[in-house]
Amino acid sequence: GAVVSQHPSWVICKSGTSVKIECRSLDFQATTMFWYRQFPKQSLMLMATSNEGSKATYEQGVEKDKFLINHASLTLSTLTVTSAHPEDSSFYICSALQTSGLSYNEQFFGPGTRLTVL
Amino acid sequence: AQSVSQHNHHVILSEAASLELGCNYSYGGTVNLFWYVQYPGQHLQLLLKYFSGDPLVKGIKGFEAEFIKSKFSFNLRKPSVQWSDTAEYFCAVNRGGGNKLTFGTGTQLKVEL
Repeated sequence: GAVVSQHPSWVICKSGTSVKIECRSLDFQATTMFWYRQFPKQSLMLMATSNEGSKATYEQGVEKDKFLINHASLTLSTLTVTSAHPEDSSFYICSALQTSGLSYNEQFFGPGTRLTVL
Repeated sequence: AQSVSQHNHHVILSEAASLELGCNYSYGGTVNLFWYVQYPGQHLQLLLKYFSGDPLVKGIKGFEAEFIKSKFSFNLRKPSVQWSDTAEYFCAVNRGGGNKLTFGTGTQLKVEL
């Protein structure tokens, strides 16, 4: 299957600082990527849809000014957590949508980034 | 709102036991259904998916799932689990034609030797 990477795999930062997480599709181009957040013992919650060349679409309840998404190229989307606070500590997972001529476009997931805000 | 329920949060089985993990969804329209697996320390991987046709879907590693429309269910099964099946399993749903996924809360499966 297609490969998606995330960097960094884990990050610890101080409250009030900003953190950038990168999501890359390594062997395919993705016009659409997704960002999820996963709390301990809970499911993946979709935060936003990242679209190359246009603004991200955020899910209800997700602050777009808090979680800045930039889809700079067909292989890279970044999520910046601005002015991070301890409640932003979580596991952030991205996926990249591989489009094909078939009936379904499959999402391939990155390994996730563990963010801890002190 | 569309929701996905996985009733079993933790399951412990012995090797060679049969497995069935429940998944129910609430959306009434056309849906596409998925099971993902996350092995310890690894990323989510697609086990199998259902779009249309035969409601019994076979996936990788001997897993299968059955779509029962009348019950809004898509349960995952495996006749004989192995220690290497120890992982977390997620059911996911999207509306037909869309790309967004709604995930269940996951089931942690532990297979003991």
